[in-house]
Amino acid sequence: GQQVMQIPQYQHVQEGEDFTTYCNSSTTLSNIQWYKQRPGGHPVFLIQLVKSGEVKKQKRLTFQFGEAKKNSSLHITATQTTDVGTYFCAAYMEYGNKLVFGAGTILRVKS
Amino acid sequence: DTEVTQTPKHLVMGMTNKKSLKCEQHMGHRAMYWYKQKAKKPPELMFVYSYEKLSINESVPSRFSPECPNSSLLNLHLHALQPEDSALYLCASSQDRGTGGGRQPQHFGDGTRLSIL
Repeated sequence: GQQVMQIPQYQHVQEGEDFTTYCNSSTTLSNIQWYKQRPGGHPVFLIQLVKSGEVKKQKRLTFQFGEAKKNSSLHITATQTTDVGTYFCAAYMEYGNKLVFGAGTILRVKS
Repeated sequence: DTEVTQTPKHLVMGMTNKKSLKCEQHMGHRAMYWYKQKAKKPPELMFVYSYEKLSINESVPSRFSPECPNSSLLNLHLHALQPEDSALYLCASSQDRGTGGGRQPQHFGDGTRLSIL
């Protein structure tokens, strides 16, 4: 089936270090959304990228959508303990009708 | 705080029981979703309702029966579930389903944590 591959599966960082998670698809994506799920919580929408090469920033978070609309990344600068959780990318394929989630990256931050 | 309300928060049921999960949103959203999420896994889509009509059923077993009584409410009726159905069941809503770049973000409820004995 249609898949969005996400790596890494886990990332443990020291507080203050940077963090990046990557999503990749073999097919063109219509758009890509990013969600954060805190431990014991529910997914919370962070951002949506639609245009080829788009870059959006939210404070310490930078989101990118690849030129070919087949990949995306989320970069967190100077992680804090409040950043812990699972980050999911989720995308609609170019002619798809449902949101497909990546496997998620679990971020742990050591203080 | 979430604008999508799910009840109950926890549910333990036997394999012969019948129960229902409820979801409510008052954001005027016209698309509503049921997802199943196992531990350390992403949400898996089960059903999509658009303008109160079922538009996607991801080949979900008939022991799960969705219902959309009106634009604000979404139910999931459960009957004769199996132990492997134990999971977090998430409801979500979006403004509408949109197309292409007009897709809308989904707002999730806190979920119902379901355990099947």
